[in-house]
Amino acid sequence: NAGVTQTPKFQVLKTGQSMTLQCAQDMNHEYMSWYRQDPGMGLRLIHYSVGAGITDQGEVPNGYNVSRSTTEDFPLRLLSAAPSQTSVYFCASSTQGGEKLFFGSGTQLSVL
Amino acid sequence: QQPVQSPQAVILREGEDAVINCSSSKALYSVHWYRQKHGEAPVFLMILLKGGEQKGHDKISASFNEKKQQSSLYLTASQLSYSGTYFCGTEINSNYQLIWGAGTKLIIKP
Repeated sequence: NAGVTQTPKFQVLKTGQSMTLQCAQDMNHEYMSWYRQDPGMGLRLIHYSVGAGITDQGEVPNGYNVSRSTTEDFPLRLLSAAPSQTSVYFCASSTQGGEKLFFGSGTQLSVL
Repeated sequence: QQPVQSPQAVILREGEDAVINCSSSKALYSVHWYRQKHGEAPVFLMILLKGGEQKGHDKISASFNEKKQQSSLYLTASQLSYSGTYFCGTEINSNYQLIWGAGTKLIIKP
């Protein structure tokens, strides 16, 4: 099993550009989530999903969109990148919400 | 509201014990503990549920005081491999949203 796979590992964007961070899991997990991690801070929840077709906002959803068309995939879209979105992004999944989270290896995003 | 972790950082010699605390101003349903090494993803340690028992494996254990809304992580006879940043994630009302503390950096020296 590959677990949770995130791509790309690194990305540099210019202000105003859009892009999609990919996340896929092969563990048949119902719950998937996106976090951002900034220096000196813990993880902050952006969006989460409790199953295909169901998504909800987390703590810091502004500027991000998600969709969940399949159980396996949960992409995160940045609509118009801003320097404030420079961060490390983690995707995580679990069998259901509130259970042990399995994290992807992260994406380091810089917005210039 | 973000839980408060203390201390922010601690330096130990191999074999010494450490306690990391996580306090919330809100009534908690569960507390989750993770360890993250530099440049890596967080790795699960344990979950403590409201009304549940103290948990532990190997030399790492944790407790959850519901009256104080505080959880403590205990690392005994620390090993070099315990180095990293420890995060607590708190859940209110089983709403699937974890709010994370800022982390406690643990450095173990030989």
